[in-house]
Amino acid sequence: DGGITQSPKYLFRKEGQNVTLSCEQNLNHDAMYWYRQDPGQGLRLIYYSQIVNDFQKGDIAEGYSVSREKKESFPLTVTSAQKNPTAFYLCASSRGMNEKLFFGSGTQLSVL
Amino acid sequence: LAKTTQPISMDSYEGQEVNITCSHNNIATNDYITWYQQFPSQGPRFIIQGYKTKVTNEVASLFIPADRKSSTLSLPRVSLSDTAVYYCLVGDTNTGFQKLVFGTGTRLLVSP
Repeated sequence: DGGITQSPKYLFRKEGQNVTLSCEQNLNHDAMYWYRQDPGQGLRLIYYSQIVNDFQKGDIAEGYSVSREKKESFPLTVTSAQKNPTAFYLCASSRGMNEKLFFGSGTQLSVL
Repeated sequence: LAKTTQPISMDSYEGQEVNITCSHNNIATNDYITWYQQFPSQGPRFIIQGYKTKVTNEVASLFIPADRKSSTLSLPRVSLSDTAVYYCLVGDTNTGFQKLVFGTGTRLLVSP
């Protein structure tokens, strides 16, 4: 059963804490993306990666970091520098940068 | 990037045809029009993509007039499960989905 798996579904962060959101895909897609969605809003691009060991900043990268050590994995770390991290985080992948996006089911991050 | 304008919300009843129009006055020659559907607490799902005239698949049709300054997503005989947010994206997908902008979309509510 191919797809994108995000975990955990819900995550809570304490002040000054870094947290990492997992994103795994078994679609053999080259490109992967992280988006942030605030209530009632559209999606904003945080980071994207076209190939392994390469990634680029999106529109709102400050306070976030990523890695792409394996083709199937693209974890997102929300650092303590991100002062307003509460949001719904979506991971996506595509076969290539010009192919349609497939999304995971998201992670809801909240601040304690 | 081409800016898109969609209605904030629409209401319909089961069995009706729903047409959601998206305006994109400054669409560029290489831009495609792509629609995604998003249910609450889930990632968006690709519906349809087109460049000109008409595109049809098993779930929707996309009508694009000759001047391409607008497009209409048509959902035939909607059901309650079609209640969702629909996003219109315009961009040159040949240069990558990272440049496409997910706006606030159109919230469709289907009632019995």
